Amino acid sequence: QSVLTQPPSVSGTPGQRVIMSCSGSSSNIGSNTVNWYQFLPGTAPKLLIYSDNQRPSGVPDRFSESKSGTSASLAISGLQSEDEADYYCAVWDDSLNGLVFGGGTKLTVL
Amino acid sequence: QEQLVQSGSELKRPGASVKVSCKTSGYTLTRYAMNWVRQAPGQQGPEWIGWINTNSGKPTYAQGFTGRFVFSLDTSLSTAFLQISSLKAEDTAVYYCARGPSYYYMDLWGSGTTVTVSS
Repeated sequence: QSVLTQPPSVSGTPGQRVIMSCSGSSSNIGSNTVNWYQFLPGTAPKLLIYSDNQRPSGVPDRFSESKSGTSASLAISGLQSEDEADYYCAVWDDSLNGLVFGGGTKLTVL
Repeated sequence: QEQLVQSGSELKRPGASVKVSCKTSGYTLTRYAMNWVRQAPGQQGPEWIGWINTNSGKPTYAQGFTGRFVFSLDTSLSTAFLQISSLKAEDTAVYYCARGPSYYYMDLWGSGTTVTVSS
């Protein structure tokens, strides 16, 4: 059972905007910044968002994050077929004194 | 081009040990911390194993990963290592090294090393 809760799956059609959530608690999302990663089978995972909606160089602005209280969301606009992947939120947990990941959301582009 | 190049897949018997390597390319190993993360097959999400300060060599292990998991470095080879002893079937997973500019996020990942523990 993951400390962070993510919906198992979301789907959308090309061009659409999808949003996936990440729910935590006061000891993690409620007090620290959330990071989002994209996992594609057989490739190196990729950092998408870090430190309050910052994007590393090369990550398009189609990816954005919002946060409220103990929940965060990743939004992907202008959905593309290459966005089909598993997405994980991660955040430092002050109670566990460690980094925790969500269970992941599988994005399907229909 | 900055990369983390990991060693190849391993098949081990229960009780054996394994050492996974992670070589930095395009940047100096000691500039950033190195994290280790694993993802077991069918498991919900990745697990953070811990990190190593690449300047001091001081390791920090997450809860549940003390004792059998050991981080080390060979700065002359620009390589970080993860050694797991007394392997169990539940250690079967893909193990990733990941660079950490800060303690709370990882900006560059290796492509993973599959460790399979089976009799």
